[in-house]
Amino acid sequence: DTGVSQDPRHKITKRGQNVTFRCDPISEHNRLYWYRQTLGQGPEFLTYFQNEAQLEKSRLLSDRFSAERPKGSFSTLEIQRTEQGDSAMYLCASSLDGGPYEQYFGPGTRLTVT
Amino acid sequence: GENVEQHPSTLSVQEGDSAVIKCTYSDSASNYFPWYKQELGKRPQLIIDIRSNVGEKKDQRIAVTLNKTAKHFSLHITETQPEDSAVYFCADSGGSNYKLTFGKGTLLTVNP
Repeated sequence: DTGVSQDPRHKITKRGQNVTFRCDPISEHNRLYWYRQTLGQGPEFLTYFQNEAQLEKSRLLSDRFSAERPKGSFSTLEIQRTEQGDSAMYLCASSLDGGPYEQYFGPGTRLTVT
Repeated sequence: GENVEQHPSTLSVQEGDSAVIKCTYSDSASNYFPWYKQELGKRPQLIIDIRSNVGEKKDQRIAVTLNKTAKHFSLHITETQPEDSAVYFCADSGGSNYKLTFGKGTLLTVNP
């Protein structure tokens, strides 16, 4: 499968715990994006990387959120001290550089904070 | 970018009929407008997109039109089939070349 992949697909955690998600983009894509989707809404932009550089962070991304893409390939999104309001689908997408180019989404990680 | 309004929020059609979903945007710098289809529990899937230098684009039963003066764009699906049933999202890139702002989605139901 040469599409965008994400791991895990589902995560249930207790409030206050830390969680980390992984995204593997399409191999030739330099750009990687994180979005969050809640029930009945469209995806909301969180942050994006061009190679290993994180170039923009949304105001939605509080200090408890951190994203990395250390080698310009896969990316991780960590949420510290999770809150119930963090429950959502976290989607990763990737695209070619320049553009705007087509963004292809992964299957998402569904986070439930109890 | 900024704000994307999408209508209707739900749409029910009979198999074989056409379906039209409309979106309006506010950022005059917007230049890229993709449409995504999302089935229940699945990833958003890019189905068609249009750039600001054209007014219409077709791909088999799907077409998108863009009116930059009025700041709106529409998705047209002809000869609908039950497998077209899904949530459809419009989006625009605003003046950026990376960040997509999505509408709230349209739940399309095609009745056999």
